[in-house]
Amino acid sequence: KAGVTQTPRYLIKTRGQQVTLSCSPISGHRSVSWYQQTPGQGLQFLFEYFSETQRNKGNFPGRFSGRQFSNSRSEMNVSTLELGDSALYLCASSPGTGLSPLHFGNGTRLTVT
Amino acid sequence: LAKTTQPISMDSYEGQEVNITCSHNNIATNDYITWYQQFPSQGPRFIIQGYKTKVTNEVASLFIPADRKSSTLSLPRVSLSDTAVYYCLVGRNNAGNMLTFGGGTRLMVKP
Repeated sequence: KAGVTQTPRYLIKTRGQQVTLSCSPISGHRSVSWYQQTPGQGLQFLFEYFSETQRNKGNFPGRFSGRQFSNSRSEMNVSTLELGDSALYLCASSPGTGLSPLHFGNGTRLTVT
Repeated sequence: LAKTTQPISMDSYEGQEVNITCSHNNIATNDYITWYQQFPSQGPRFIIQGYKTKVTNEVASLFIPADRKSSTLSLPRVSLSDTAVYYCLVGRNNAGNMLTFGGGTRLMVKP
């Protein structure tokens, strides 16, 4: 089975721009969650989608948004980028029901200049 | 959400057993304990999960005391390739959960 795929792998943007990151979950997984990882704050939960509905949301401003498509693929969008948004953005998938671990992609490294 | 506390870093030598303890005083009745391993520039990778007592798989063991306020990940006979950051999570891996990652423990295995 193919793992979780995140694209692009690296991204450089300028302050004020917006960015869209993509995540393809493992086949059959209906839950996709997003995390931000920075050296100072560690791994922080952004949001989780299950069957195209946002099921949980972390403590991030409204500039961070996401969506999930009918094939379970997910995108997250960050508008009006700030320097502090520079981070590794990780996507994880799971079946979404029952007891199951998260399967992570290798992330998108976003640098905001 | 249960908060977790782990040592920031640990050093070990090849061939030794490593035990990493995680404190989670506010663990809820339905919460499970899960450990992940992360190498630089990669996403975390699932190691082991448990609810109580002891769980063992091909790479690690997880010890959970009766009060469940802490847990210990045990890595037998570590090698250089076990150098990584290890995260303890407490939460429910089912509908409607949010998983909280602690700061992680940076394990350095020396030759």
